[in-house]
Amino acid sequence: EAGVVQSPRYKIIEKKQPVAFWCNPISGHNTLYWYRQNLGQGPELLIRYENEEAVDDSQLPKDRFSAERLKGVDSTLKIQPAELGDSAVYLCASGRPPSNEQFFGPGTRLTVL
Amino acid sequence: EDQVTQSPEALRLQEGESSSLNCSYTVSGLRGLFWYRQDPGKGPEFLFTLYSAGEEKEKERLKATLTKKESFLHITAPKPEDSATYLCAVHNQAGTALIFGKGTTLSVSS
Repeated sequence: EAGVVQSPRYKIIEKKQPVAFWCNPISGHNTLYWYRQNLGQGPELLIRYENEEAVDDSQLPKDRFSAERLKGVDSTLKIQPAELGDSAVYLCASGRPPSNEQFFGPGTRLTVL
Repeated sequence: EDQVTQSPEALRLQEGESSSLNCSYTVSGLRGLFWYRQDPGKGPEFLFTLYSAGEEKEKERLKATLTKKESFLHITAPKPEDSATYLCAVHNQAGTALIFGKGTTLSVSS
C-alpha cells in the first residue's frame, strides 16, 4: 500500500511570494489533515478534511493561508504572501474512521528568506 | 486546556542500555494516546495507540504503557537504529485533532 505522497519535498522562496504544497493521501482514506511543524516542536494541526469538506480550520491563518480538497482526494495548501515566520515543515496526514490512527507523509520543508 | 508534556527532551544511551520515555497529558476524556517515531527529514511514523489505563502494547524492543495521567515508552536493549525523535500525542477533547508533545530525541551509540 502506497503511503501519503507530498510534493515538493523542499521549497525556498522570498518573503511575500506565494507557495503551494500538494498532498495525495493513502487510497481509501477520506480524512486528510495538514499540520505545521516548527523546529524542535511537535506538529500542530492547521486544517482537517472529511472527504471534500473542511470540518476544522480553526487554526488556519485565513488571512494568508488557504486549502482545498477537490473531489475528496488530493489536497493543496497555499500561502500567499509568505512571511519569514512561515518557515517550517508542512505535513500531510490521512486516516480512515472509525480508526483514530493518522499516517503522515514525508513533509515539505519551506524556507522563507 | 489539552496539553502533552514529554520528558526528557533528549536521551543518550549506550547500545543495550534500557530506559523509558515519559509522556504526561491533560485532556478531558481520553480518546486515545499515540506514539510516533520521527527520523530526521521524515514524517512521523505511527507506532502505537493506547486507549485505557493499564493497556500495554509491544513492538520489537519498544513497549508502551498507559496510566490515567501518563504514558511510558520503554526501550529494552536499544540499538543504534532506534535513534530518532519519539513523539507522543492525544486526541483533543472534541476528538478532532491530535495534540502533540515536543518529543524526546533518543541517541543510541554502539
